[in-house]
Amino acid sequence: KAGVTQTPRYLIKTRGQQVTLSCSPISGHRSVSWYQQTPGQGLQFLFEYFSETQRNKGNFPGRFSGRQFSNSRSEMNVSTLELGDSALYLCASSLGGTLGVAFFGQGTRLTVV
Amino acid sequence: QKEVEQDPGPLSVPEGAIVSLNCTYSNSAFQYFMWYRQYSRKGPELLMYTYSSGNKEDGRFTAQVDKSSKYISLFIRDSQPSDSATYLCAMSATPTGGGNKLTFGTGTQLKVEL
Repeated sequence: KAGVTQTPRYLIKTRGQQVTLSCSPISGHRSVSWYQQTPGQGLQFLFEYFSETQRNKGNFPGRFSGRQFSNSRSEMNVSTLELGDSALYLCASSLGGTLGVAFFGQGTRLTVV
Repeated sequence: QKEVEQDPGPLSVPEGAIVSLNCTYSNSAFQYFMWYRQYSRKGPELLMYTYSSGNKEDGRFTAQVDKSSKYISLFIRDSQPSDSATYLCAMSATPTGGGNKLTFGTGTQLKVEL
């Protein structure tokens, strides 16, 4: 069974630009969550989507948004990039029930210059 | 105070040693407890998960949860150089509105030396 696939693996963007990251969950998994990982803050929850609906949101500004498609694939968008947005962005997939364990992709490393 | 506290290390042990990694937490609503291993520049890999209190063993790994003390542990027996990685504890409770949200510790960096 294929794992969680994130594309692209690496991105370099300029301040003020926007970026879209993609995540394909494990087949049959309906929940997709996004996390930001930085050396200073560790892994922080961004949001979770289930059946194309955002079910939970973390404490991030509105510049961070996402969506989920009918095939459970998800995209995350960051607008008006800031230097502090440089991080590893991780997508996690789970079956979709509450309190489920999550399986992570390899992440997209975003560098903002 | 963070919801989940984890000693960042680094922790250095000789090959073959028993490693003990720990996390404490403050949110009594946490019910699922997970340990992830993360190699440099890779995504976290799920090692073990337990529901509520108790022990779970899988090969060289044992996870323990003590909900009364709000304390979880991961033990690695016969540690190998390939175990050198960052170990993250994660916990899950049902947030308002349902769904799945993990709260992570900061991770403990482990190095197993030959």
